[in-house]
Amino acid sequence: EIVLTQSPGTLSLSPGERATLSCRASQSVSSRHLAWYQQKPGQAPRVLIYGADSRATGIPDRFSGSGSGTDFTLTISRLEPEDFAVYYCQQYGSSPTFGQGTKVEIK
Amino acid sequence: EVQLVQSGAEVKKPGATVKISCKVSGYTFTDYCIHWVQQAPGKGLEWVGLIDPEDDETIYAEKFQGRVTITADTSTDTAYMELSSLRSEDTAVYYCAIVWFGKLNWFDPWGQGTLVTVSS
Repeated sequence: EIVLTQSPGTLSLSPGERATLSCRASQSVSSRHLAWYQQKPGQAPRVLIYGADSRATGIPDRFSGSGSGTDFTLTISRLEPEDFAVYYCQQYGSSPTFGQGTKVEIK
Repeated sequence: EVQLVQSGAEVKKPGATVKISCKVSGYTFTDYCIHWVQQAPGKGLEWVGLIDPEDDETIYAEKFQGRVTITADTSTDTAYMELSSLRSEDTAVYYCAIVWFGKLNWFDPWGQGTLVTVSS
């Protein structure tokens, strides 16, 4: 099983700031089969990024993904009020696994 | 519009079995796989398993193997997840989600979730 470790656990930022979230895999993620999800309280997760760097339909371009192998990053270029949420990475190259999540909170 | 509508909240006693449903609309049910994901209160996401409605092939996470059964009813475009021998640790919201290409890919969209509470 591929273990995904996200850091930091919590990110305290102000609207307009840049957020950089990390996801590290215990072994190489095949074909960049890595996705990022956003989850708000009481809601189901929604996909932001798939294939490590492809934005899902309807996702604003302030969200971007990068990385390969074992190291991946989600960047939110300028935080909007609606971006404060929990973010999860997921690998789907083998039996799917998720990271433990990064909470982006208002500073 | 693709929609996944899940059944309502359940309260079960330890040792019981729960079966929750996920009714889909907006696409051909047998064309794409459906996955199930567990989220315990205040915790992260954990993959439970998947079904390919075209041939009923299932794959389960090792953690749930032996206690979970995922089925699909093509006459009603509904997928089901049954979890047996319930214990308090199974208290969680369970989500269904679609994978559009193949069996393993990103999940999009998700159902609204079903809360299962296990309590004596």
